[in-house]
Amino acid sequence: AQTVTQSQPEMSVQEAETVTLSCTYDTSESDYYLFWYKQPPSRQMILVIRQEAYKQQNATENRFSVNFQKAAKSFSLKISDSQLGDAAMYFCASAYMEYGNKLVFGAGTILRVKS
Amino acid sequence: GAGVSQTPSNKVTEKGKYVELRCDPISGHTALYWYRQSLGQGPEFLIYFQGTGAADDSGLPNDRFFAVRPEGSVSTLKIQRTERGDSAVYLCASSPGTSGDDEQFFGPGTRLTVL
Repeated sequence: AQTVTQSQPEMSVQEAETVTLSCTYDTSESDYYLFWYKQPPSRQMILVIRQEAYKQQNATENRFSVNFQKAAKSFSLKISDSQLGDAAMYFCASAYMEYGNKLVFGAGTILRVKS
Repeated sequence: GAGVSQTPSNKVTEKGKYVELRCDPISGHTALYWYRQSLGQGPEFLIYFQGTGAADDSGLPNDRFFAVRPEGSVSTLKIQRTERGDSAVYLCASSPGTSGDDEQFFGPGTRLTVL
């Protein structure tokens, strides 16, 4: 079974500072994707960033970047220059093409941004 | 263009009743997924459709849960003899296909409360 673990139930960051959210996963598959999703109180799940497992280069999207350590099965999200609008629940997830790309989610990390 | 829509946004029912939750995917998306998100947890996979057929229903918790997608577009998740433990947010997502490059777009969810 594929599993995703987020060990930080809650994190806080000062506005304009940098924060890193942790995620580890377990799989025996070789072809998979990893994701970070943001879920604000509106419940709408929004894709933040995606990483393909066969790509060694870490994905970046503006202020969001990942540190993908394939051997360690670690996939952390770094948010730079944090903004009040970044406050939300963040979920790490994996998907496997062999299984129709259904997503396996971690338990989530609540991110609070202090002004 | 319109995103994924779900109706109703909230549903309150009594234990033992039957409920239907509807998902309207993005036009042209062939893949449709249902997830269930219990309070304070990450979403869990229920079922996904490729076209009209259920390609994987391994996440449905028991035979009280059933989903259809008769014309390959709108999908309905049906729950018979509801129980208090069924209370959760039910999320629907659609994607152009099931390859690794196909992003899943989520709807806002239906919050089901079983009294």
